[in-house]
Amino acid sequence: KAGVTQTPRYLIKTRGQQVTLSCSPISGHRSVSWYQQTPGQGLQFLFEYFSETQRNKGNFPGRFSGRQFSNSRSEMNVSTLELGDSALYLCASSSGRDNGYTFGSGTRLTVV
Amino acid sequence: EDKVVQSPLSLVVHEGDTVTLNCSYEVTNFRSLLWYKQEKKAPTFLFMLTSSGIEKKSGRLSSILDKKELFSILNITATQTGDSAVYLCASTSGTYKYIFGTGTRLKVLA
Repeated sequence: KAGVTQTPRYLIKTRGQQVTLSCSPISGHRSVSWYQQTPGQGLQFLFEYFSETQRNKGNFPGRFSGRQFSNSRSEMNVSTLELGDSALYLCASSSGRDNGYTFGSGTRLTVV
Repeated sequence: EDKVVQSPLSLVVHEGDTVTLNCSYEVTNFRSLLWYKQEKKAPTFLFMLTSSGIEKKSGRLSSILDKKELFSILNITATQTGDSAVYLCASTSGTYKYIFGTGTRLKVLA
């Protein structure tokens, strides 16, 4: 059974650019959530999607957005990149709210 | 504001030691508490606890939840160097949100 797949693995962007990250959940998982991980802040919740609907959003500016497609694949977009957006972005999927999430390996974004 | 606090922040032990990691939480509409192990990139799921006082075990790892005192502990017995990792605790609320603690970095020396 394939795990959660995130692409790309690494990304370098310059300030002011925008970026789109992709996440393919485990087959059959309908819940996808996104997290930002930095050394200083730990894992911070970005948003969670279920059946193409955003059910909750963390405390991030509007430059961070996401969506989920009918096949449960999800994308996250960050516009007008700032240096502070450099982080590991993790996606996780679950079959249901009361089940543990399975994480992907993440996308390492570096903003220069 | 919902929060999850883990202690200690870091821990260094020798192989064979037993360690206890702590996680306290203050979460609106608490549903469950989860433990993850993160070695390099992706955190891997260890336990999910929803009921107070019921211990979950997997090999040398065990965890228990106290819903009255709002905390959980993760025990690792007979530690091995392969247990070296960051251990993350997360709480889920009724609003489909996971709140993670900043983790406990465990280093096990041979």
